[in-house]
Amino acid sequence: GQQLNQSPQSMFIQEGEDVSMNCTSSSIFNTWLWYKQDPGEGPVLLIALYKAGELTSNGRLTAQFGITRKDSFLNISASIPSDVGIYFCAGQLGGNTPLVFGKGTRLSVIA
Amino acid sequence: GAGVSQSPSNKVTEKGKDVELRCDPISGHTALYWYRQSLGQGLEFLIYFQGNSAPDKSGLPSDRFSAERTGGSVSTLTIQRTQQEDSAVYLCASSLGTRLGSQYFGPGTRLLVL
Repeated sequence: GQQLNQSPQSMFIQEGEDVSMNCTSSSIFNTWLWYKQDPGEGPVLLIALYKAGELTSNGRLTAQFGITRKDSFLNISASIPSDVGIYFCAGQLGGNTPLVFGKGTRLSVIA
Repeated sequence: GAGVSQSPSNKVTEKGKDVELRCDPISGHTALYWYRQSLGQGLEFLIYFQGNSAPDKSGLPSDRFSAERTGGSVSTLTIQRTQQEDSAVYLCASSLGTRLGSQYFGPGTRLLVL
């Protein structure tokens, strides 16, 4: 099935560094979402983006909905150890449609 | 409850047996989704329920998979004659069913088929 291209696949960073990850798609989505998944847990919603060009922040997290509606990025500033986990992007065509997920970015933070 | 709950948390079964996985969505959420996550992979859509409409079954990988949602709330995903490739984490999500209604996930059921 359809899948988003998410990069990088994994990242090893020092505590305090900023992080950037992105997702691209060959087709348009009307909503972009970013989730974080900890081991043994379900994905937790971080940020939802509903409008092309939209830039939204949630604490140290900032995400943008690309103007072409085919991409999105997530930035994490001043990383801390609890940021460790797998980050997934997801695209959605409409409000009542299934999500299409990227394969995730595995983030490791070295204290 | 406060969030989406799923049961069992873990399930080990023998190849060929049937299994049932349960999802309790967030109260008031009209939309319910099932996804499958294989090891190291992203989530793959299986089936979707919205209110009283016919479910969208387009993601089900074979006719051994089925799901129902009783009374517009609890849902059960059934896998018949399980195969080893069915081993995965099965995640349920619910949403308000509106354009701005984001999907919230349960903790998942980890299924291992021996």
